[in-house]
Amino acid sequence: AQTVTQSQPEMSVQEAETVTLSCTYDTSESDYYLFWYKQPPSRQMILVIRQEAYKQQNATENRFSVNFQKAAKSFSLKISDSQLGDTAMYFCAFRKQGAQKLVFGQGTRLTINP
Amino acid sequence: KAGVTQTPRYLIKTRGQQVTLSCSPISGHRSVSWYQQTPGQGLQFLFEYFSETQRNKGNFPGRFSGRQFSNSRSEMNVSTLELGDSALYLCASSLDGTSGSWDEQYFGPGTRLTVT
Repeated sequence: AQTVTQSQPEMSVQEAETVTLSCTYDTSESDYYLFWYKQPPSRQMILVIRQEAYKQQNATENRFSVNFQKAAKSFSLKISDSQLGDTAMYFCAFRKQGAQKLVFGQGTRLTINP
Repeated sequence: KAGVTQTPRYLIKTRGQQVTLSCSPISGHRSVSWYQQTPGQGLQFLFEYFSETQRNKGNFPGRFSGRQFSNSRSEMNVSTLELGDSALYLCASSLDGTSGSWDEQYFGPGTRLTVT
């Protein structure tokens, strides 16, 4: 069975700062995807960024980038130039290839302060 | 294109009752997954349906069941409700998921179930 661990329950930074959210996972699968999802207060869960395990290059989406360390089973999210709208719960998730089931971490509540 | 819709958005039930939640996926999506979100247990996978068949199931008691219709709309049912069933129930839809390539899952707004 796969497990996903987020060790930071809460984080808080000032607007425009850079913040890094941590995630580790455990799996015996060789083909899988890793995701970061954002759940703003009282709003829908949306996908922030994804990483295919077979790709060595770290994924980036505008201000969001990941540091994927496959051997260490680590998958951190870096948010650059943080904005007030980044305030949300962030979930790290695992999905093995060919399946739809997502295994989520416990989440990190991120607050961006003005 | 309309997003994933879930009805009702809020629900209050009494212990022992049963409840049915509905999820309408994005048009053309054939896979629907359900998740339970609670402060204590986080997000947990309930089950996934594809082409009217349950394709995967999480570790929940038999009181939790679901189905999918020919138009891909899905329902989940919880019988004999317990206080611990109070949660946000999320559904997510995707095109297929059976191919080797990746397809994104889109989440609905959820149904907030409160059991008293």
